[in-house]
Amino acid sequence: NAGVTQTPKFQVLKTGQSMTLQCAQDMNHNSMYWYRQDPGMGLRLIYYSASEGTTDKGEVPNGYNVSRLNKREFSLRLESAAPSQTSVYFCASSVDRYEQYFGPGTRLTVT
Amino acid sequence: GQQLNQSPQSMFIQEGEDVSMNCTSSSIFNTWLWYKQDPGEGPVLLIALYKAGELTSNGRLTAQFGITRKDSFLNISASIPSDVGIYFCAGLGSYGKLTFGQGTILTVHP
Repeated sequence: NAGVTQTPKFQVLKTGQSMTLQCAQDMNHNSMYWYRQDPGMGLRLIYYSASEGTTDKGEVPNGYNVSRLNKREFSLRLESAAPSQTSVYFCASSVDRYEQYFGPGTRLTVT
Repeated sequence: GQQLNQSPQSMFIQEGEDVSMNCTSSSIFNTWLWYKQDPGEGPVLLIALYKAGELTSNGRLTAQFGITRKDSFLNISASIPSDVGIYFCAGLGSYGKLTFGQGTILTVHP
């Protein structure tokens, strides 16, 4: 039982490049989330998916897109990376609307 | 939007001391959560609080859900070096959205 897994762990992009961050959970949770963590700002919600087939914007969605591929997988895409998107990205999942469990994070640098 | 103010921002303590940190909000939350984040890892859930006034313990950790539903505190007793990390409070509002505090960085000197 791996919980929430994320790939890659580290990534460096040039401005304008695109990439997709992958997330998978094996806890049979309905809800999945993407957050970014910046120094001194806690974690901020980018997008979430309350159930398979649905996605909604969070606090900071601009510059990102998401896909809930199936119940297990929720991906985050940066179409044209910008330096302001340098951050640590965390995926999380939960049973409906209760406590969330986090993956280990993806450290992204955009130069 | 909703905001959580977490304090203190950082703490430097000696091993064996007790620690207290708190979180206040301008909005009401239905659930309060406390997470710990180790360097290079994702946040790990420590305690979840579901009712106003609730006091819950998990080993050396004790947390309370404020009566007004706008605040919560976390106490750590008899700190040890592995308590080092960043502690986050989070309020769970409608639609399962978590709002996080800015975090408290805890350093424990042996």
